[in-house]
This record gives sequence, structure tokens and C-alpha cells, in this order.
Amino acid sequence: DTAVSQTPKYLVTQMGNDKSIKCEQNLGHDTMYWYKQDSKKFLKIMFSYNNKELIINETVPNRFSPKSPDKAHLNLHINSLELGDSAVYFCASSQNPGLFGDNEQFFGPGTRLTVL
Amino acid sequence: DQQVKQNSPSLSVQEGRISILNCDYTNSMFDYFLWYKKYPAEGPTFLISISSIKDKNEDGRFTVFLNKSAKHLSLHIVPSQPGDSAVYFCAASGGQNFVFGPGTRLSVLP
Repeated sequence: DTAVSQTPKYLVTQMGNDKSIKCEQNLGHDTMYWYKQDSKKFLKIMFSYNNKELIINETVPNRFSPKSPDKAHLNLHINSLELGDSAVYFCASSQNPGLFGDNEQFFGPGTRLTVL
Repeated sequence: DQQVKQNSPSLSVQEGRISILNCDYTNSMFDYFLWYKKYPAEGPTFLISISSIKDKNEDGRFTVFLNKSAKHLSLHIVPSQPGDSAVYFCAASGGQNFVFGPGTRLSVLP
């Protein structure tokens, strides 16, 4: 009974394709996030949703579009994939919104995306 | 511009000894600091945190120290165990800003 799950775990695709990564949490949390871990291993936040509403949208290309059908799911859709999109993408959730205070985040196992 | 720095990419420690992982930050708006631990092929897991109103927080073998004037925090693990071998990320939050450091890979040698 994984708390935060992501599918797929690995994704290999060609440049120009469109792909989606799914995330689900069964913790009853109201807030979900997407992070990108780049080649230098930096974890950078991309988006945050609270109760299906976008609350944080960092500077990412508009080829990346998050979709939250309900508060337990936050999917990441990427259009026209580029080589530089290759990274590990982590989904996370927390009880409270906002990137401040005692707001422990629970992370999924990550999705390794490789764009050829 | 790295707002959260972990200048040691890796650290090796003998089992039973103390591990000290360091973290520096530049943004004075940060008021809460967290440490996450990450095993290979898994997501980061929360380890311990500290508010800026404190200078120390302890949880079992893990202690985090905060020096606000130096904008520096450290995580002490004592005694270190082989199962502590992982990548440790320092994170800082405040002012709607949440930033992870690049991580330090800790290897605890038996």
C-alpha cells in the first residue's frame, strides 16, 4: 500500500513525442507537487496543486502541463519532448499547502525519463 | 544562484562514528529547514526538521543544529550505521519558497 505512487517508473521516448506521467497518493493529502531532479541532482519544484487548484507554477516551459482530476491524483503531461527534458521526475504530497513551515512532503519513487 | 548549498558531494564514515553533513543557505527569508534521506531508486523521505526559532532539534540518533547568523545548518548522525548510507538533501523553506540542496552521499563503512 504505497503512499505516493508514480507510473511509469522508466520512460524512454523519442524527441518530439508527447508523454504523461501519473501520480497518485493515498494519504488523504490536499496538496501535491511535481519536482524535477536534473543531471546535477538538484531537486527543483515545478508545480503544486491544492485541492485540484494550481497554487505554484515555477518557470517551466508551457510544454509541461499538470492535470489534477481529483486531489488524490496529479498527472504531468509533456508535449514535444526535448533532449533536455531527460531527468528524474518526482511527485510528492503534503497535508498542507504552501512551501513553508512544518509541511513534510512525502515523495513517490520517481520516474526516470530519457528522451532520445 | 544556489540558495541552498551542500558543498560536500560525498562523505565516508566508519560505522559507529559520527557523521556530520553540512548545509549553507543564502536567503534570509528561509525560516524552516528540513533534511531528507534518499536511497537509490526511491523518492526522498523526510528525516528531521528545525524551525529558525530553535538552534537544535534531536530525534534519536539524528540531531540538526542551526546557526542563523552563519546561515549554516548541520545534521549529526551518531552512531552511524551502514543503513544510513544514502544521499541526504538539505531543504529550506520560507516566503513561499522551497529549495533543495544538491545532496551529500553518505557512505557508512562497516
